[in-house]
Amino acid sequence: EVQLVESGGGLTQPGRSLRLSCVASGFTFDEFAIHWVRQGPGKGLEWVAGIGWDGGNVGYADSVKGRFTISRDNAKTSVYLEMSSLRVEDTALYYCAKDINPYGRGTTVTVLAYWGQGTLATVSS
Amino acid sequence: EIVLTQSPGTLSLSPGDRATLSCRASQTISRNYLAWYQQKAGQAPRLLMYNASRRFTGVPDRFSGSGSGTDFTLTINRLEPEDFAVYYCQQYVSSTWTFGQGTRVEIK
Repeated sequence: EVQLVESGGGLTQPGRSLRLSCVASGFTFDEFAIHWVRQGPGKGLEWVAGIGWDGGNVGYADSVKGRFTISRDNAKTSVYLEMSSLRVEDTALYYCAKDINPYGRGTTVTVLAYWGQGTLATVSS
Repeated sequence: EIVLTQSPGTLSLSPGDRATLSCRASQTISRNYLAWYQQKAGQAPRLLMYNASRRFTGVPDRFSGSGSGTDFTLTINRLEPEDFAVYYCQQYVSSTWTFGQGTRVEIK
């Protein structure tokens, strides 16, 4: 069974940082790109960042470019999202999700086959 | 950027009814590269359909997708209580991620 479990969310102040983690199981982790998608309170879905199967290709939404960094550790079947210079508008539930296709790139728009339950990041003074 | 507009915003139906959800794109979506997701209250999105009409693993056959070009439809036959949720479309033909704003299917 494919599982993705996010953690690391919490309450922080504008300008501070948070590091989100996503631990995966139930599939051959190092063959799939992983993406982060967020959902603001009462809002729709917004893609945030993606990382290719081998970590060699990453992509970011314009809204987070230069502030967020995505990385992965295939030995730990984990993906991370380092969020810095956080803004109130970054408040959201952050989901990690698995590409439907193997050997995908972080910059490729794709279908998200499985999603974690999300971790909530709240940015407020 | 391809803008996806879903209609209606809210659909009020009874169990056993048929739901017809629309997703209209601002540009042609070639190769029918359109997906549908279901999000129940308090849960993560779940992939239902991709390539406009292919059901994902484990999705009941009361869900069907159709359409091409700029107009796509998700149909849910004989609504079950667990089908009341928000549905999002997403295109994956362009280099920019876009989702529709969602259609809520609520119990009448």
